[in-house]
Amino acid sequence: AQKITQTQPGMFVQEKEAVTLDCTYDTSDPSYGLFWYKQPSSGEMIFLIYQGSYDQQNATEGRYSLNFQKARKSANLVISASQLGDSAMYFCAMRYEKLTFGTGTRLTIIP
Amino acid sequence: SAVISQKPSRDICQRGTSLTIQCQVDSQVTMMFWYRQQPGQSLTLIATANQGSEATYESGFVIDKFPISRPNLTFSTLTVSNMSPEDSSIYLCSVVSPGANYGYTFGSGTRLTVV
Repeated sequence: AQKITQTQPGMFVQEKEAVTLDCTYDTSDPSYGLFWYKQPSSGEMIFLIYQGSYDQQNATEGRYSLNFQKARKSANLVISASQLGDSAMYFCAMRYEKLTFGTGTRLTIIP
Repeated sequence: SAVISQKPSRDICQRGTSLTIQCQVDSQVTMMFWYRQQPGQSLTLIATANQGSEATYESGFVIDKFPISRPNLTFSTLTVSNMSPEDSSIYLCSVVSPGANYGYTFGSGTRLTVV
């Protein structure tokens, strides 16, 4: 069975600092996809970044990058130069047949 | 990628009543998914809805409580039946469509409060 683990229920980070959100996963299938979503208080799910299991390079999307360590089965999200608008819930998810979500990390950016 | 219109965005309902949530997609999609997010929790898949066949429910979810319709390739509804306060959650629909976001697009969610 597939499993996603996010061990940080909450984080407080000073504005303009970089932040790393942890995500580990477990699967026996060699083909899978890993996602990060942002969920503001409005409830919508905003796609941030995607990493395929066969991708050789770490994914990057603007201020977001994914630190993909396949052997360790980790897919940490790095946000550079954090902004107040980054305050939200962040979910890691894995796609194998269906999308399975981790428990999320609530990120709060402090001015 | 697909754009989803989900309605209502929020509602407050009396226990024992039912609420139907609608998702309209701007393009034809094969698979639609319904998720529940209880307060402070992650998203849990309720069921997968394919056009022309009965929805496939995940463990812990039953058709009598969460009936789903999928009359065509652009529309689906989820009904939350005989509601109790434990049904207070955000409900989201999602589709798989080619294009951006590597296939997954979410509706804006329905925030349901049962009193």
